[in-house]
Amino acid sequence: EADIYQTPRYLVIGTGKKITLECSQTMGHDKMYWYQQDPGMELHLIHYSYGVNSTEKGDLSSESTVSRIRTEHFPLTLESARPSHTSQYLCASSERDRGFEKLFFGSGTQLSVL
Amino acid sequence: DQQVKQNSPSLRVQEGRISILNCDYTNSMFDYFLWYKKYPAEGPTFLISISSIKDKNEDGRFTVFLNKSAKHLSLHIVPSQPGDSAVYFCAAILEYSGGGADGLTFGKGTHLIIQP
Repeated sequence: EADIYQTPRYLVIGTGKKITLECSQTMGHDKMYWYQQDPGMELHLIHYSYGVNSTEKGDLSSESTVSRIRTEHFPLTLESARPSHTSQYLCASSERDRGFEKLFFGSGTQLSVL
Repeated sequence: DQQVKQNSPSLRVQEGRISILNCDYTNSMFDYFLWYKKYPAEGPTFLISISSIKDKNEDGRFTVFLNKSAKHLSLHIVPSQPGDSAVYFCAAILEYSGGGADGLTFGKGTHLIIQP
């Protein structure tokens, strides 16, 4: 099993603040992802990376940015948080399992922007 | 346009009985179908998968059935236990994308509640 860690677990901040959500994994996975999920809704991919210095936007438009300077670290940054950014943010890494990449998720960050 | 649909937001099942969670899809090109389980305030965990060339895959108490002609799959849990209470996400993936998770499409999930 992959070990993947997200901090903080919960974050309540005011509008306009800059925030960084941390994500680290210890399994040496090249591929990492950020998902956004609201209650009763599907998981939406907002960013992904297939290796160091590689980042791509997902299918859901997001005002956040990511970086991948080290294999194990994939932080997500919001320059100016707004109430519309309130959501659960899930980080994941993956490894090959037959014909697909199996995802391993962190515990998530529940973000509330007031 | 949702390509993976879970039409039941919630399902209540008595402990010891069979739980059946359903999932429909629209894209006949999907190569694999996956089920993830999610507890509150935790990330999803992988549960079971099935290739599009199979019609059944079994792992302990969990069995997934695929009906390609109906574009329908179902997850059976037998017998249901209290620890099975969670949200279950159905997901589908296209192998042409390399099977990468950037080609993964999730449903909205079904909240399974196991009653004593």
